[in-house]
Order: sequence, then structure tokens, then C-alpha cells
Amino acid sequence: DVKVTQSSRYLVKRTGEKVFLECVQDMDHENMFWYRQDPGLGLRLIYFSYDVKMKEKGDIPEGYSVSREKKERFSLILESASTNQTSMYLCASTVGRNEQFFGPGTRLTVL
Amino acid sequence: GENVEQHPSTLSVQEGDSAVIKCTYSDSASNYFPWYKQELGKRPQLIIDIRSNVGEKKDQRIAVTLNKTAKHFSLHITETQPEDSAVYFCAASPGGYQKVTFGIGTKLQVIP
Repeated sequence: DVKVTQSSRYLVKRTGEKVFLECVQDMDHENMFWYRQDPGLGLRLIYFSYDVKMKEKGDIPEGYSVSREKKERFSLILESASTNQTSMYLCASTVGRNEQFFGPGTRLTVL
Repeated sequence: GENVEQHPSTLSVQEGDSAVIKCTYSDSASNYFPWYKQELGKRPQLIIDIRSNVGEKKDQRIAVTLNKTAKHFSLHITETQPEDSAVYFCAASPGGYQKVTFGIGTKLQVIP
């Protein structure tokens, strides 16, 4: 059974703070993704990675960066959190062109 | 880049009726079309997918149809049950690095 875990279910941060969201998958998947989910906007891709140390911008990368030092771990970094980054963040992983397995999500609130 | 439009955004049906959700895409290179279901408070999960070499696919009460010429695909749920209540997302992918573009989601409510 594929397991994708995220470091926190709920997180509250202050404007200007640096925020780290971590995602770990245990199935040796090559591809990993970070999405944010907002009501009425669906799932929007922030960044994705198809290999260790590789990263590609998604549709809304502004204000975010990522790190993938190990195959199983993909981190999303908010360099200076802002209130408009309050959202649900979902990580996903997959191998090849197949089903995406999602993590449980991190609900981030920036005050 | 790819643009996926999904409608309706909300849908209410009586238990036992059918539900249809429609999506269109813009990139003719897209050839993989998954559908995800997200129950309240849970993560999205794949329920069915279709590839461009197939026009229709069924799995029990769920079916998906694809019209590549018109660039649209649809999800059909027959004999709906209360446990079908959820948000459904369509998506499209052109392959390659498998970047997937999602629609905005459809909130389906099945009324007992």
C-alpha cells in the first residue's frame, strides 16, 4: 500500500516567516508534486520533481521554492509567508504516467 | 499550457438518479485523462482513468467517455448513492514528465 505522508496536518505561521512543508513517500516513486487547493480554484500545481535534485515550475510557483535531496522526500518552502498563501497544500507522488497518490494535506494559515 | 474546464461546479441529484460531469481540455497533445474523488476532509483518490486510444471505459456504476476530436471527456455515475457525495476532479496530461492539469472540481450531492 502506497503511503504518502506530510509533516503537519495543520500549521499556523506569521507573515514573513519562512515555512517548510515536508512530504515523504515510501514507494520509490520518481515523480513528486506540490499542489495547493483553494475553494473554486481546484488543484493548482506549484512545483514538481521527476528526479532527485531536479525540479520544474508548475502553474503558480511565485513565492515558493522546493528541495529534493532524496528520492523519497520533497519539501516545499515559503521563503516569506504571506496571507495569500493561506491554503490547503497537497503533496502527491507517482511512477510513470499513472495514478497520483496524494498525502493527507497540510492546512496552512498565515496570520 | 494545458487548460481544463469542468462543469458544473455543483450538482445535486436524487439517490438512484444518474450524474454527469463534463470537462474540456485545450492541448491536443493530452492523452491521459484521470478522474479523482475527494470526500470531505480526505485526500483525492483516483476512481477511473482513460487514455486517448480508448473512447469509453466502465467500472461498475462509473463510466468515462472521451471525444478527442471535440477535446472533451465526461464522467457518468449511474444509480447514485449517498456515498457518492464528494468533490470530483477531472484532469488531463500530455505525458512526458506527467504534469497533470486539474479542473476546478464538481461538488456532487446525492440526496437520499
